[in-house]
Amino acid sequence: AQTVTQSQPEMSVQEAETVTLSCTYDTSESDYYLFWYKQPPSRQMILVIRQEAYKQQNATENRFSVNFQKAAKSFSLKISDSQLGDAAMYFCAYRSAKSRGSQGNLIFGKGTKLSVKP
Amino acid sequence: NAGVTQTPKFRILKIGQSMTLQCTQDMNHNYMYWYRQDPGMGLKLIYYSVGAGITDKGEVPNGYNVSRSTTEDFPLRLELAAPSQTSVYFCASSYRTFGNYGYTFGSGTRLTVV
Repeated sequence: AQTVTQSQPEMSVQEAETVTLSCTYDTSESDYYLFWYKQPPSRQMILVIRQEAYKQQNATENRFSVNFQKAAKSFSLKISDSQLGDAAMYFCAYRSAKSRGSQGNLIFGKGTKLSVKP
Repeated sequence: NAGVTQTPKFRILKIGQSMTLQCTQDMNHNYMYWYRQDPGMGLKLIYYSVGAGITDKGEVPNGYNVSRSTTEDFPLRLELAAPSQTSVYFCASSYRTFGNYGYTFGSGTRLTVV
């Protein structure tokens, strides 16, 4: 079974600085998808960025980018020019490319709580 | 465009009581999910559904039941509530289970069992 590990329960960053959140995963599959979700204090889960495993190019969405290392099974999230509104829980998630039964369900890590200092 | 709507947002139950958490989506998604979120534990899948009339257990189904009579609705039933069911519950839906489609989440229900 696939697992997702976020080894940093909490992180802190100064406003306007850059921070990187770590995520590793374990899978025997070669084709899959990876996601980062943001959960602010409002509890709403918001999709931040996604990556297809077959793409070598790292995904980027404005100030958010990933460092996808397929061989190392690593999928870190970099937040540039951090803003106070970036303070939230961040969850890394894995989805198999297989679509039968439960195989396509998202598997989440335990999350990293990010604080942004003014 | 409402997305995924969950009700109620908060609820306090006494041990042994029952309740239903409502979830409805207006995106015509076939796939729907119920997760619970405990502090420091991430999100764990309770039940999921791949379409109307089809449901299946996730990682932590004990103490819960679901039904899916329509594409839009996926209620979660708690029978004989226990303190261990104190958690935040999220409903989510997805267009497909393959591809880079993520989930659309509801805003969650905070449930306390006392």
